[in-house]
Order: sequence, then structure tokens, then C-alpha cells
Amino acid sequence: SQQGEEDPQALSIQEGENATMNCSYKTSINNLQWYRQNSGRGLVHLILIRSNEREKHSGRLRVTLDTSKKSSSLLITASRAADTASYFCATDAWYGNQFYFGTGTSLTVIP
Amino acid sequence: EAQVTQNPRYLITVTGKKLTVTCSQNMNHEYMSWYRQDPGLGLRQIYYSMNVEVTDKGDVPEGYKVSRKEKRNFPLILESPSPNQTSLYFCASSPSSIPGGVGELFFGEGSRLTVL
Repeated sequence: SQQGEEDPQALSIQEGENATMNCSYKTSINNLQWYRQNSGRGLVHLILIRSNEREKHSGRLRVTLDTSKKSSSLLITASRAADTASYFCATDAWYGNQFYFGTGTSLTVIP
Repeated sequence: EAQVTQNPRYLITVTGKKLTVTCSQNMNHEYMSWYRQDPGLGLRQIYYSMNVEVTDKGDVPEGYKVSRKEKRNFPLILESPSPNQTSLYFCASSPSSIPGGVGELFFGEGSRLTVL
């Protein structure tokens, strides 16, 4: 399975601090995406980075991709209590349209 | 409003009693897929569909069936549910695959299934 893994599994920070979570995957990809899930709810798309891109920004989010290491990181700057959620990376294999999610990082932002 | 709608949201059933979880999207998306989410395992893809009448197995298809007779609907069928299919299920859709891969997925709110 190409299922990725996020690191750390859980992260607790103070409001205003930056949060960094990492994702590793196993095989070559077309794109890598990050999603957010509030407890028990559907996932919401945050950002997509293509395999030929190294860095991408969206508001307080910064994503990096290192295809040589098969890894990505998501940085959330100036965190807010409302950022408390689980974050998942997701990849699609270069050879098809199957889609793989990581195991997720649970982020808690303390007000 | 653009959305993916799943029904039922909650269901308790017994082993062997056939059930269907419906999924409908109003965004004219070609790609649709089903996932199950279990603690510690993240989301695992069950089946996906690139277009009408085109379906493929994901990582964990055993015990499930799907059909794609219309573009907007992608029901998940459990012919003979077992307790190990107790899980939180998500349907998702995406516009035509962007060059080189699947684009942004839009998720439904989930269906929590318990099989006794």
C-alpha cells in the first residue's frame, strides 16, 4: 500500500505558535494534497502541490514537497484555536487514479 | 449549493442484512470514490469511479460493491455486512482529473455504520 504516514501523530501548541506536521509516502506521485478534518466531519481540502513544485503558499499555510525523500511538510503559521483539527496528507499514484491518505496528525491549539 | 450528500448519516444494522449507502453530488464531477475511516488507520479507499460505468477497486474493496449508472450517484452496497465493516464511511468527488492526477476532493459529511 502507498498509504502515507504523518508525523507527529498528535501535536499540542499555544495559540499564536507555528505548527509543523510532516508526511511521508512510498511511491512516485503526481500530486500531494493536504486536508483538514474537524472531529467526525467530512474532510476539507487545504492545498495541492504538484510533483514538479517544491513549495506552495496559501494564506497561513505553507507546504513543501521533497520528491527525492518522498516527504512533505505542512506549516500553519500564527495558529488559532479554530485550527484545532486532524490534518491528512493524500497522494495519487502516478500510474492511476487511486488515492491514498495518510494516518493523520491531530492538532490541538490551546487558547 | 455545491455539495456531496450521503445517506443515511447513521445506521445500526445486523450481520447479513444488505444495506446501501447513497452518495450524490451536484457538481457534475466525473471522479467519485468511497473511503472508510478507522481509528489509527486513517482513510482507506474502497472503490473509485472515473466516470459513468467505470469503477475500480481501491485498497479495501472486499465485502463492498458499487455502481455508477449516473454521473451524480455512486452508491456503496454491503451485500452481507459483518462487524468488521463497522466504520465511518465517506464519499468524495472531484472534477475531471487534472493533467497528471486527481484534483481536489469534495467530501460528504460521512455515514457512521455499526454492524452488530
